[in-house]
Amino acid sequence: DGGITQSPKYLFRKEGQNVTLSCEQNLNHDAMYWYRQDPGQGLRLIYYSQIVNDFQKGDIAEGYSVSREKKESFPLTVTSAQKNPTAFYLCASSIRQRGYNEQFFGPGTRLTVL
Amino acid sequence: DAKTTQPPSMDCAEGRAANLPCNHSTISGNEYVYWYRQIHSQGPQYIIHGLKNNETNEMASLIITEDRKSSTLILPHATLRDTAVYYCIVRVRTNAGKSTFGDGTTLTVKP
Repeated sequence: DGGITQSPKYLFRKEGQNVTLSCEQNLNHDAMYWYRQDPGQGLRLIYYSQIVNDFQKGDIAEGYSVSREKKESFPLTVTSAQKNPTAFYLCASSIRQRGYNEQFFGPGTRLTVL
Repeated sequence: DAKTTQPPSMDCAEGRAANLPCNHSTISGNEYVYWYRQIHSQGPQYIIHGLKNNETNEMASLIITEDRKSSTLILPHATLRDTAVYYCIVRVRTNAGKSTFGDGTTLTVKP
């Protein structure tokens, strides 16, 4: 089955530690995205990548880093510089030929920093 | 990007049509209207999009006013599983970077 996988579903870390969230897609999509969602709020864009080895900052990139070494993978690192890292993190992908805004989302990772 | 305005919440009786409005009075000529929904604690799901013509697919219908300043998402026969947050976003079709979602409308379908 084609889709987007995010692992793990729940993640706990101590304050001050970096943590990397995984996102893999087998849809052969060109673009990939990371969003953050806080309780009761909408999605805010952290980073996005339209092609391999290239990525752009979204609205709230501070304290986060990404890489896009392979088309199917777009890991997100939440660094210790991120002041409020506890949130629900969503990864998405889209295909250029259908316009970037028809996005397919993964199930999300809920990160809790203790 | 055009800003959208949606009511924070709506109720609908099971089996009835759910009509979710969205205002986008500053929409530009090349911006599309997209709808997504997010069931609690899951990733959002793309529903439908349109430019100026009305659109229908297996999930919903999208009605865009002639002046394109507002639109309505219609779920023709709402079920309890349609309870979710519905997001209306307005974007240029080929711009990957403008993808932040607002707070949406929480639709509650009641038996």
